[in-house]
Amino acid sequence: NAGVTQTPKFQVLKTGQSMTLQCAQDMNHNSMYWYRQDPGMGLRLIYYSASEGTTDKGEVPNGYNVSRLNKREFSLRLESAAPSQTSVYFCASKSGTVDIQYFGAGTRLSVL
Amino acid sequence: QQPVQSPQAVILREGEDAVINCSSSKALYSVHWYRQKHGEAPIFLMILLKGGEQKGHDKISASFNEKKQQSSLYLTASQLSYSGTYFCGTEIWDNFNKFYFGSGTKLNVKP
Repeated sequence: NAGVTQTPKFQVLKTGQSMTLQCAQDMNHNSMYWYRQDPGMGLRLIYYSASEGTTDKGEVPNGYNVSRLNKREFSLRLESAAPSQTSVYFCASKSGTVDIQYFGAGTRLSVL
Repeated sequence: QQPVQSPQAVILREGEDAVINCSSSKALYSVHWYRQKHGEAPIFLMILLKGGEQKGHDKISASFNEKKQQSSLYLTASQLSYSGTYFCGTEIWDNFNKFYFGSGTKLNVKP
């Protein structure tokens, strides 16, 4: 099983460029999440989607947009990248309330 | 609303025990524990639910004090493979769908 797949694995952007991080899960999970993890820090929730067709802000949503394209896919878009968005981005999914979150391998993003 | 973890870092010798604590200012519905190795994604360890139900595996145990809004992770007879950063995550009564991770406890087990 593939689980949660994130693309790309690495990306370097210049300030002001835009990009979309892709996430897909094949476990038929309802909920999906986007986190960022700065060096030596914990994971902070950017956006989440409790079910297909819904999205909500997490702790640090500024500068990001998301789309829950269907039940499988949840993308994160940076419209105008800033150096402060340099981080590792993790996508996760879970089946329902109080359930295990399964994480993708992460996208390492550098904004110069 | 992020839970607070303590200690921030622990150094152990193989075979020693450790306790990692997690506390929240919000009423908790569940507490999750994850371990992350350097450069990798977090891996699930344990879920603790209100009422005492636990889901987990391996030689790691945990407790959940609902009244104090605290959880503790117990690592007994530590092995080298236990090294990594441990995160607690919380689901709160106000919104089950939001998830908050603590800042992490770095565990280093030495031979």
